Amino acid sequence: DTAVSQTPKYLVTQMGNDKSIKCEQNLGHDTMYWYKQDSKKFLKIMFSYNNKELIINETVPNRFSPKSPDKAHLNLHINSLELGDSAVYFCASSQLAGSETQYFGPGTRLLVL
Amino acid sequence: DQQVKQNSPSLSVQEGRISILNCDYTNSMFDYFLWYKKYPAEGPTFLISISSIKDKNEDGRFTVFLNKSAKHLSLHIVPSQPGDSAVYFCAASDLLGGGSQGNLIFGKGTKLSVKP
Repeated sequence: DTAVSQTPKYLVTQMGNDKSIKCEQNLGHDTMYWYKQDSKKFLKIMFSYNNKELIINETVPNRFSPKSPDKAHLNLHINSLELGDSAVYFCASSQLAGSETQYFGPGTRLLVL
Repeated sequence: DQQVKQNSPSLSVQEGRISILNCDYTNSMFDYFLWYKKYPAEGPTFLISISSIKDKNEDGRFTVFLNKSAKHLSLHIVPSQPGDSAVYFCAASDLLGGGSQGNLIFGKGTKLSVKP
């Protein structure tokens, strides 16, 4: 009964591959987010969706494409993976758009070789 | 350009004593501040928040102080317990100004170790 879950927890892949990370929340929240925590430990927002609509799209390469099939899911697809994509990716959700109290998933550790 | 800075990467405190974690920000538009706590291999969890209309917010052992003129906030944990050992992230947003949309700006975190 995990509130925000992500799969997989670990992902090791080669440069150039395409991969997806899935996120699901069972909190009934309207808004979901993707964050990236890089090697310098900065936690930065990448995208947010409210009721399946994109509301935040920070400057990330267009190789990253979020997809929200319904408001309980926000998946992250990454094309042509690069070494610099190695990071921990966190999914989060909040009850309302613009709510700062966000509930985070456990993270997906991506390593690109 | 770090808008939210946590200059101490780590802090070690004896059990029962006070832990003080500090955070500075540069963007004067920030009006809402939060602390998140993170254990290894888990996502951050919300701990406590404060809006710019207050200078103090208390929740049990946790108190956050905000000094707007200095653009500084701090988290006090009293008394500290070994289970408090975690990474603490300071975060800020332009919530009250309406520009946020949930866009939190995080600091790099401070690793707190509470020794028994």
